[in-house]
Amino acid sequence: GAGVSQTPSNKVTEKGKYVELRCDPISGHTALYWYRQSLGQGPEFLIYFQGTGAADDSGLPNDRFFAVRPEGSVSTLKIQRTERGDSAVYLCASSLVTFSGAGSSGANVLTFGAGSRLTVL
Amino acid sequence: AQSVTQLGSHVSVSEGALVLLRCNYSSSVPPYLFWYVQYPNQGLQLLLKYTTGATLVKGINGFEAEFKKSETSFHLTKPSAHMSDAAEYFCAVSELGGGFKTIFGAGTRLFVKA
Repeated sequence: GAGVSQTPSNKVTEKGKYVELRCDPISGHTALYWYRQSLGQGPEFLIYFQGTGAADDSGLPNDRFFAVRPEGSVSTLKIQRTERGDSAVYLCASSLVTFSGAGSSGANVLTFGAGSRLTVL
Repeated sequence: AQSVTQLGSHVSVSEGALVLLRCNYSSSVPPYLFWYVQYPNQGLQLLLKYTTGATLVKGINGFEAEFKKSETSFHLTKPSAHMSDAAEYFCAVSELGGGFKTIFGAGTRLFVKA
């Protein structure tokens, strides 16, 4: 698509429920990132994918959080047993970056979606 | 591991005045440095980036930033503020040749007074 699309734009759920947030990146972008932004804070890195695989998931706060990107395009962030502290805006970004054995080439400029605002009551 | 510190969570300037938003970074390898802007009710968008080469980089809307390795800084400036510059600004760093995890600062909200 023309931009990064995230759905839903708003999600209100009850504590303990399961939530899925979807990200559709820019067509052809191989890298996909998930961030979490709490009020008054900068985006906090969660996980990034290169193709179908999670290249770095060091930012996932605990095992309640999981993300997939099965076909190397759309990604889903899954949160189990939601807690009130999970309330935040979840941002998805994609970038066109190439990797080689020596590392990567080109700056990974991120194109962000509008975010999914999650409220856990 | 890389990190970013933005000095001042809020900055207020008068219209027409100089804008200076401060950013210091920490990185164990040569960094890529970015400034992103978030206008009210909009998503984050790239303002400018430093990769290699010229240390003074120019971005959109008259903003520029200078990479100073000795000071580990990447401050954002604009000679004359406009009301439309009111937004939140985020400095970010990722590591050249690394895993491309981009780390953001906490942000600085810019207020522009008429």
